[in-house]
Amino acid sequence: SQQGEEDPQALSIQEGENATMNCSYKTSINNLQWYRQNSGRGLVHLILIRSNEREKHSGRLRVTLDTSKKSSSLLITASRAADTASYFCATERWSQGGKLIFGQGTELSVKP
Amino acid sequence: NAGVTQTPKFRVLKTGQSMTLLCAQDMNHEYMYWYRQDPGMGLRLIHYSVGEGTTAKGEVPDGYNVSRLKKQNFLLGLESAAPSQTSVYFCASSPGGTGYDEQFFGPGTRLTVL
Repeated sequence: SQQGEEDPQALSIQEGENATMNCSYKTSINNLQWYRQNSGRGLVHLILIRSNEREKHSGRLRVTLDTSKKSSSLLITASRAADTASYFCATERWSQGGKLIFGQGTELSVKP
Repeated sequence: NAGVTQTPKFRVLKTGQSMTLLCAQDMNHEYMYWYRQDPGMGLRLIHYSVGEGTTAKGEVPDGYNVSRLKKQNFLLGLESAAPSQTSVYFCASSPGGTGYDEQFFGPGTRLTVL
């Protein structure tokens, strides 16, 4: 079963705009991760946020985590055409022993 | 370093045929995983391994077998392929054991079962 549900399923924006993707999950976690997948490629890790963290930054990426609402958001600022990809959240729980449960993903299209 | 590699990249099988997908990693990672990805869905875990000689079932293990005879390799076998196994298969690895590991993914194998 899918732990994470992502919203929206698809997002189309213009270059330079910000993109926000949301992820909700069902059970308690010890970390949440975001991955990017370019068309026809494998997933690439973007950022990991621990359950005791509320916000994390990496370059143009900002991730927030609200454990009370069981939700996370990924913000990409000043988007570029090269950001066009699918973005997945994945959750990990201690009881899962290193396994990640992935959401269905958000397909982002950034138009030049 | 090559990271995680997968062989083959593409394969077409007929129903009932068998095949083995090979995953190799050169990062000395303990944990390895096999996922399948279907249109409109995220990745679903098939089997995984937390160390050489160990394997465990994931979310969708039926119809697949795995082996981890060497730490750097993780093999996924389909004994009798079915059209429902048409998918893109991804292998991943992680250092393992910290509870805060990122996973490193291979480029995928696109399998079609006719």
